[in-house]
Amino acid sequence: GDSVTQMEGPVTLSEEAFLTINCTYTATGYPSLFWYVQYPGEGLQLLLKATKADDKGSNKGFEATYRKETTSFHLEKGSVQVSDSAVYFCALGAGGTSYGKLTFGQGTILTVHP
Amino acid sequence: NAGVTQTPKFQVLKTGQSMTLQCAQDMNHNSMYWYRQDPGMGLRLIYYSASEGTTDKGEVPDGYNVSRLKKQNFLLGLESAAPSQTSVYFCASSYQGARTDTQYFGPGTRLTVL
Repeated sequence: GDSVTQMEGPVTLSEEAFLTINCTYTATGYPSLFWYVQYPGEGLQLLLKATKADDKGSNKGFEATYRKETTSFHLEKGSVQVSDSAVYFCALGAGGTSYGKLTFGQGTILTVHP
Repeated sequence: NAGVTQTPKFQVLKTGQSMTLQCAQDMNHNSMYWYRQDPGMGLRLIYYSASEGTTDKGEVPDGYNVSRLKKQNFLLGLESAAPSQTSVYFCASSYQGARTDTQYFGPGTRLTVL
């Protein structure tokens, strides 16, 4: 079945450092890929998404490219801020009879210090 | 627009008690989902509903039941609560349940079963 694997956390960075959170997936067909973010005490919200191979999703300085050849969707940001501290989830969305069900990775806790 | 709302925000139950978690969305979305979030395991799908009046099992449906009598509401029931059901529960909705659709999440319900 479909699965998503994220890098182990937690990740602790200083402000303005470069961020990479690795995400790889296993899926049949042509899934969409998502990054969701969860701020403390809140629900998840979409950060970015890519719906086909070689697409790049971007938002708020974050980027991720859908790489079919390496089955990856790594999240990057050039300069993190304290306000980026949150839990980040990589997710895979299947279509057809899956009705958009999401398969999530385990989440990566990011803490950014001033 | 309130988006996706969930009630209650917190609940404590004793083993064997029953309760219903309520979810409502005001975005006229066709598809709705219930997930549970446990530490280190990401989110796992309990049940989903592709459209009003239809429901189907997800990855971890045992011990739960659902109903989707109105398009805007999706209810999750626990018939006889067990400590293993202690978790944070999230409801989500999406427009059509297509693989490219963004899911919109509620703020969550934190449930403790003693």
